[in-house]
Amino acid sequence: LAKTTQPISMDSYEGQEVNITCSHNNIATNDYITWYQQFPSQGPRFIIQGYKTKVTNEVASLFIPADRKSSTLSLPRVSLSDTAVYYCLVGGQRAGNMLTFGGGTRLMVKP
Amino acid sequence: GAVVSQHPSWVICKSGTSVKIECRSLDFQATTMFWYRQFPKQSLMLMATSNEGSKATYEQGVEKDKFLINHASLTLSTLTVTSAHPEDSSFYICSAPRAVGKDTQYFGPGTRLTVL
Repeated sequence: LAKTTQPISMDSYEGQEVNITCSHNNIATNDYITWYQQFPSQGPRFIIQGYKTKVTNEVASLFIPADRKSSTLSLPRVSLSDTAVYYCLVGGQRAGNMLTFGGGTRLMVKP
Repeated sequence: GAVVSQHPSWVICKSGTSVKIECRSLDFQATTMFWYRQFPKQSLMLMATSNEGSKATYEQGVEKDKFLINHASLTLSTLTVTSAHPEDSSFYICSAPRAVGKDTQYFGPGTRLTVL
């Protein structure tokens, strides 16, 4: 499984756009990139998944450069409720493929 | 959407007792489920892979005799912490893959275990 590297923590203010970058230099050809969000004392929640270029949903955007060795999760206009830990995972596109969590990025949104 | 539930959401027990945690997939079947443990301010650590109808696969360093896993049906996996000790106090989370061909996992809400 490809190892991921993320900043340990980030601070932001309400209304700002937050970009969290994840490095995954040894990503394999069939690996997808998935981001999860975790609030304290809750299980992680799926945010977004992509393979290449750009993916956007109602919650976030995911930017993946052509070499796919990194990805950036973009959260538009964050609010206090976006304070959470964000995990970047890289894994094969197969059902049942176990997930290996890295350290995640602890985002603190301030008023 | 798909939901994975866990029961109980929290449990407090005395040292030496056993505690069972249930993980259920509510609107889909899961031949495989995963159990994680998370200590405060740390990431999730995969403990084991629960396989319906067969033995669980444990990660290195996880004692299979202490953390008993039973995947008796396509919607239920249980984790039993046997002879619990204070160092077993943690947040236990299960997950299940959503569908064939997808890498997305659905996570349960977690179970907070406190061993006195």
